[in-house]
Amino acid sequence: QKEVEQDPGPLSVPEGAIVSLNCTYSNSAFQYFMWYRQYSRKGPELLMYTYSSGNKEDGRFTAQVDKSSKYISLFIRDSQPSDSATYLCAMSQGGSEKLVFGKGTKLTVNP
Amino acid sequence: EPEVTQTPSHQVTQMGQEVILRCVPISNHLYFYWYRQILGQKVEFLVSFYNNEISEKSEIFDDQFSVERPDGSNFTLKIRSTKLEDSAMYFCASSEWQHSRGYTFGSGTRLTVV
Repeated sequence: QKEVEQDPGPLSVPEGAIVSLNCTYSNSAFQYFMWYRQYSRKGPELLMYTYSSGNKEDGRFTAQVDKSSKYISLFIRDSQPSDSATYLCAMSQGGSEKLVFGKGTKLTVNP
Repeated sequence: EPEVTQTPSHQVTQMGQEVILRCVPISNHLYFYWYRQILGQKVEFLVSFYNNEISEKSEIFDDQFSVERPDGSNFTLKIRSTKLEDSAMYFCASSEWQHSRGYTFGSGTRLTVV
């Protein structure tokens, strides 16, 4: 089983839709969970950071972590064409500097 | 907003040549990283650097790779003898805190080995 799995999509939604992006992981030692957004030819940009389980909300974005199921999610409300990008989940263990990334989900929001 | 700057944006080199990829991290950050992304693949960790030494490295980061902070602002990745399979986007990142509260990534250097 891969350490972090993420459906690569592509995912295409109409403007205003609620988008749900997900990752599963196998390493129960992961404690830090992040979502990055990556536009074409750019570096990843941090969207959300969560430590351990629970929910975190920032504007239109909500991140959820369920450690018992080894499952993390990112929800985007009222999606906009400017949200069109590749979304990467990433996670790390306590005591490690290494981020382990998912492969990314390519999202297109159509006007 | 502060940003991580990487140069060059694109570098083409011949197999067997040495390349140096350069990065200027955010000025008050203390932790520095290199990642790479082969076309169509995941972003992969190479190395982390703190207090002028490597704090962690991956199995990818073998003897052909080295990192250096030659002065107070630059952070470099050297690949001694490039191989075709080193062709990738190389991302530098920096962080104010330890243990990945989220890095700031640069825009990357696309390395093409021919």
